[in-house]
Amino acid sequence: DGGITQSPKYLFRKEGQNVTLSCEQNLNHDAMYWYRQDPGQGLRLIYYSQIVNDFQKGDIAEGYSVSREKKESFPLTVTSAQKNPTAFYLCASRAAGEDGYTFGSGTRLTVV
Amino acid sequence: AQSVTQPDIHITVSEGASLELRCNYSYGATPYLFWYVQSPGQGLQLLLKYFSGDTLVQGIKGFEAEFKRSQSSFNLRKPSVHWSDAAEYFCAVGLTGGGNKLTFGTGTQLKVEL
Repeated sequence: DGGITQSPKYLFRKEGQNVTLSCEQNLNHDAMYWYRQDPGQGLRLIYYSQIVNDFQKGDIAEGYSVSREKKESFPLTVTSAQKNPTAFYLCASRAAGEDGYTFGSGTRLTVV
Repeated sequence: AQSVTQPDIHITVSEGASLELRCNYSYGATPYLFWYVQSPGQGLQLLLKYFSGDTLVQGIKGFEAEFKRSQSSFNLRKPSVHWSDAAEYFCAVGLTGGGNKLTFGTGTQLKVEL
């Protein structure tokens, strides 16, 4: 079945370390998105990509980086510059011409 | 910039009772509107969407929503709630172009009493 796979589901890192969250989709969707979810704040857009080798900053891009070398993959790196990285991270994709998103099951990152 | 307000953080209803979750948006034109549902520790699942046309839209799991332009609202309803409907519900607004980004509300946590 087609879908979006985020891995790992839980991730623990020490403060000051960079960490990369994986997002892979086999839906042949053009656009991909990364959101951060914190209790009581809904979802906030970190980065998005509409085509391969191109991406744009969202509302809270500081301390994060992404790449889009393949249509299927959109990894997110949480750098040591991100002041409060502990959160639930959601990846989504969207087919061209279709405005609804398909979401992955998320990665919960805890930085200690 | 568009914004979405979900005024109710928590709502508790009895099983079998009707449900209405409120959503108001702020946007200069008619946006695309969505409702998503999220179970604990999971991703979001699309319940329904409004693009244009009939202002009453039907979704999955027996949910419906009505777009009211005069009130800038897109409230979600269900005639009879089931215990399995307990989850968090998010309203979202999108626009064409500019990456088709979605802006989400802060969510409404639904508790269902048996």
